[in-house]
This record gives sequence, structure tokens and C-alpha cells, in this order.
Amino acid sequence: QVQLQESGPGLVKPSETLSLTCTVSGDSVTGQSWVWIRQPPGMGLEWIGFLSYTGVTNYNSSLKSRVTMSLDTSKNHFTLKLSSVTAADTAVYFCARRLGSYSAIFDYWGQGALVTVSS
Amino acid sequence: QSVLTQPPSASGTPGQRVTISCSGSSSNIKNNYVNWYQQFPGTAPKLLIQSNNQRPSGVPDRFSGSKSGTSASLAISGLRSEDEADYYCATWDDSVSGPVFGGGTKLTVL
Repeated sequence: QVQLQESGPGLVKPSETLSLTCTVSGDSVTGQSWVWIRQPPGMGLEWIGFLSYTGVTNYNSSLKSRVTMSLDTSKNHFTLKLSSVTAADTAVYFCARRLGSYSAIFDYWGQGALVTVSS
Repeated sequence: QSVLTQPPSASGTPGQRVTISCSGSSSNIKNNYVNWYQQFPGTAPKLLIQSNNQRPSGVPDRFSGSKSGTSASLAISGLRSEDEADYYCATWDDSVSGPVFGGGTKLTVL
């Protein structure tokens, strides 16, 4: 059974960096592609970026200048960093496993982590 | 403004068949597989339909997907109260080189 769990601060100050970790169990991060998706309160889903097992990343162009994703194979987790946050970055952040190439198939999801940007 | 267009709401009575549309373009739906997600309040989305019309293990056959040209549809037959949720379509977009989502449709079972 594949499981993902997000962790990180639930409150971040404006202009600071949001950092989240997604810990994977039941699968190896070296064998798949992984993604971060966010959902502002009461709104729809937005893709942030994905990270392949080879370490290759692809970020949403609207966030690209502020996003960094990385893989830690020793801990079987991957991370998200979003810099210079504003209130518009307040959202529930989900990590998920992505199947295939050129796909939007996300078969396993974490429960989500609410991150609020506020001073 | 989402890349894929869905109606914000849909409704039906128990036992009815309802459909939810998802409209895109030649850079996304036309040349790529469409997937559907079901989301209950406070929970993560769940993969409901993948690759246009494939149901992952455990998804009832009341749910079905189809695609034609630049549009796709999710159909739910034998509507049940527990189907009340938000539904999102998603596909790959060649222009942005990444996945794109619809704005979501809130399904109400009357």
C-alpha cells in the first residue's frame, strides 16, 4: 500500500520561504515521478511542479522563478520550497505520485497540508 | 481561470444519470488522455477515471468517461447520495508542458 504524508510549518510569514516534505512509504522515490499540487481555500487544483526519479524537474511557469523541488533517496522523501510567499500562496498543498510520461494521472495522494501565509 | 472548462455545478436525483463536461483545446484534450478526480470536502482528490475511460481498481462501474475531439465527459449512472462531491478533469497540455485541471464541478444529489 503506497502512502504519502506531507509535513512542514502550517504558518509562513510573507516574503519567507515555504518548505514542505512528502514522505513516501510502500514505494521507492527512485522508481516513479512525483508531483506537488495546491488548492487555495474554496478553489480548484493547481499543479506546482513534478520531479522524476532521475532528478529532472518541471515547474509550472507561473511559479517557476520561486519553486525548487528535490529528492532525498536516503530518506525516501521529496521536498518543495516556494520562496517569497504572499497571501496568494495560502493553500492546501498535496503531494502525489504521477504515473507515466506526459500524463496527469496521479494515483496516490497525501492527505494535504494547509499552509497559511500571514504575519 | 482554468485551462479546462467545467460547469461549476451539476445536480441529479438518486438513480438518475448525470454527466459532467470538460472542454479544452488541441494542445491538451485533443491529443492527450483525460483523467477525472473525485474530491470530498477536507480530503485529497481520488483518481476516478484514467486515460479517458479506464476505471482504477475499486471504482464502481457506475462511473464512466469518454472523450471526443477537444471535449471529455464523466458520466455517473444510478446516482447515489454518496456521489455528492467535487469532480475535476485533468490532462497533459503540450503548450505548458505540464498537467492542467478543470475548475471543478460540484455535484449535488437532490
